[in-house]
Amino acid sequence: EVQLVESGGGLVQPGGSLRLSCSASGFTFSAYALHWVRQAPGKGLEYVSAISSNGGSTYYADSVKGKFTISRDNSMNTLYLQMGSLRTEDTAVYYCVKGERGYNYGGAFEIWGQGTMVTVSS
Amino acid sequence: QLVLTQSPSASASLGASVKLTCTLSSGHSTFGIAWHQQQPEKGPRYLMKLNSDGSHSKGDGIPDRFSGSTSGAERYLTISSLQSEDEADYYCQTWGTGTVVFGGGTKLTVL
Repeated sequence: EVQLVESGGGLVQPGGSLRLSCSASGFTFSAYALHWVRQAPGKGLEYVSAISSNGGSTYYADSVKGKFTISRDNSMNTLYLQMGSLRTEDTAVYYCVKGERGYNYGGAFEIWGQGTMVTVSS
Repeated sequence: QLVLTQSPSASASLGASVKLTCTLSSGHSTFGIAWHQQQPEKGPRYLMKLNSDGSHSKGDGIPDRFSGSTSGAERYLTISSLQSEDEADYYCQTWGTGTVVFGGGTKLTVL
């Protein structure tokens, strides 16, 4: 069974940092681009970041550029999102997503994790 | 600019059919999209990829009641024989050079 399991969410103060992890199983991890998507409470889905299958290319939404860093460890089947300079507007559920085969970026988002909640508050 | 537009809400009766619409912005009518379902208090689930020619490929385990179609810049998701568990938010998603975009979502109420 293809599965993505996020962890690392929690409560953090404004200006603080947090690292999210996403552990993958059930597919050839190194063959797929991976993504982070977030959803603020009561709001829609917002694209955050992507990383190509070999980690050589990364993409960021303008809202997080310079604050967040996406990375992956293909030997550990794990995706990461290092978040810094956090603000209250970064409060959201963060989802790890597996992209469609053959796309280094974009494509249909085929598998979603269950999400991890990040709350930025003093 | 690549934008997807969805109606905020829709409703239909139990057992009936409903057609949800996702509209691509001007100049992007040849783009494919994906449809996702988000039931209350759950994460999104991939339903299908819908190409500009109307062909579509569904995710694993998605019932035949869910189908997709296309007309110009509009992409449709049709759900037939509506069931109570179909009450959810439905999002369309597309992608371009260096960007991924989601529509604002349609909240479907099953009456």
